[in-house]
Amino acid sequence: GQNIDQPTEMTATEGAIVQINCTYQTSGFNGLFWYQQHAGEAPTFLSYNVLDGLEEKGRFSSFLSRSKGYSYLLLKELQMKDSASYLCAVRDEIAAGNKLTFGGGTRVLVKP
Amino acid sequence: DAMVIQNPRYQVTQFGKPVTLSCSQTLNHNVMYWYQQKSSQAPKLLFHYYDKDFNNEADTPDNFQSRRPNTSFCFLDIRSPGLGDAAMYLCATSRGAGREAQYFGPGTRLTVL
Repeated sequence: GQNIDQPTEMTATEGAIVQINCTYQTSGFNGLFWYQQHAGEAPTFLSYNVLDGLEEKGRFSSFLSRSKGYSYLLLKELQMKDSASYLCAVRDEIAAGNKLTFGGGTRVLVKP
Repeated sequence: DAMVIQNPRYQVTQFGKPVTLSCSQTLNHNVMYWYQQKSSQAPKLLFHYYDKDFNNEADTPDNFQSRRPNTSFCFLDIRSPGLGDAAMYLCATSRGAGREAQYFGPGTRLTVL
């Protein structure tokens, strides 16, 4: 089975840094994705990790440790528009398709 | 520019009245997915197509069916919607089974009266 945990909600100040943690216990592992989802909208792809280490993309970075079943998404220089839910998703090892199991999402509220 | 298109964006149906949601893509991706997302919950995969091969999740109710007549289009049919089926339905695509991100459409919010 799949179990993906992330905090429900976080609050941070504009210009600050926030780190969203994700832990997973899955029967297989073939990569971890982070998505951003604004209220009432579809998730949009942020980052992908399959090897251990840090992937940096502008203000967003994502880290993976496969041995610990752990990832984090780091948001720097927070802007008001970063207020959204952030979904951690793990990809199963399957032969066909690209099956993702999502965590419940972390709602980030950025305050002025 | 729209790559994954879902119609309609909002759908209202009556309890028990069949409804069809539509998804199309201009990416020429091999794989198309349907997710159900209820308020404040994670998207839950219902099924996916790899080309014409249909893959149903074990816990997807029989009430939910899907069709993919060609590469570009995929439909979600709900045969007899119940109140518990009210949700956002998300269509997503990916190129294949490799290191591919899934790209989501804007979703269809279904209301069941």
